[in-house]
Amino acid sequence: SQQGEEDPQALSIQEGENATMNCSYKTSINNLQWYRQNSGRGLVHLILIRSNEREKHSGRLRVTLDTSKKSSSLLITASRAADTASYFCAPLNSGYALNFGKGTSLLVTP
Amino acid sequence: EAGVVQSPRYKIIEKKQPVAFWCNPISGHNTLYWYRQNLGQGPELLIRYENEEAVDDSQLPKDRFSAERLKGVDSTLKIQPAELGDSAVYLCASSGPGQGKNEQFFGPGTRLTVL
Repeated sequence: SQQGEEDPQALSIQEGENATMNCSYKTSINNLQWYRQNSGRGLVHLILIRSNEREKHSGRLRVTLDTSKKSSSLLITASRAADTASYFCAPLNSGYALNFGKGTSLLVTP
Repeated sequence: EAGVVQSPRYKIIEKKQPVAFWCNPISGHNTLYWYRQNLGQGPELLIRYENEEAVDDSQLPKDRFSAERLKGVDSTLKIQPAELGDSAVYLCASSGPGQGKNEQFFGPGTRLTVL
């Protein structure tokens, strides 16, 4: 499977603000997943968007997918301090083994 | 329901020593993965099991790393001998059958320090 590239590498915002992070990939995909990693809960699956979907919501998370640009974005609305974590995207074209990039490190300050 | 269990959580060894990590996946999950995560990087896949069969071990450094999943449940990852560059967090993950394969559940990891 291919590796996604997250951007920016680091993001610092205040509580209540929205956070947007992006993911780019190189070849066609079957689906794209976003994961979060923090020291408290480890690596956790957030959301999966399939190649035939353009947008998906889960609570305060909104994910978009543009297959023509080979990119995805993750929006976290009304950020909280507990959202402080590293966020990884994992594009999948076949199989199920995830190939993570370096991630976006998000810091949410009170 | 218990999540993925890994032990030990931390391990400090001297180079050239052997080390082993253990993983117990979520009950009913027939797919098991081992990942390695270096500082500041995302996890990278080492090996994937479907039941007791290793179906993807292309990234496993076979000269010093070995893994087994007897009876298709628990798994052990071994390094022998360990090198300084093996210092990392070793993560185990599992996923269920069918569409459940799309979501992987990760354990807390084993942080290995090689001195």
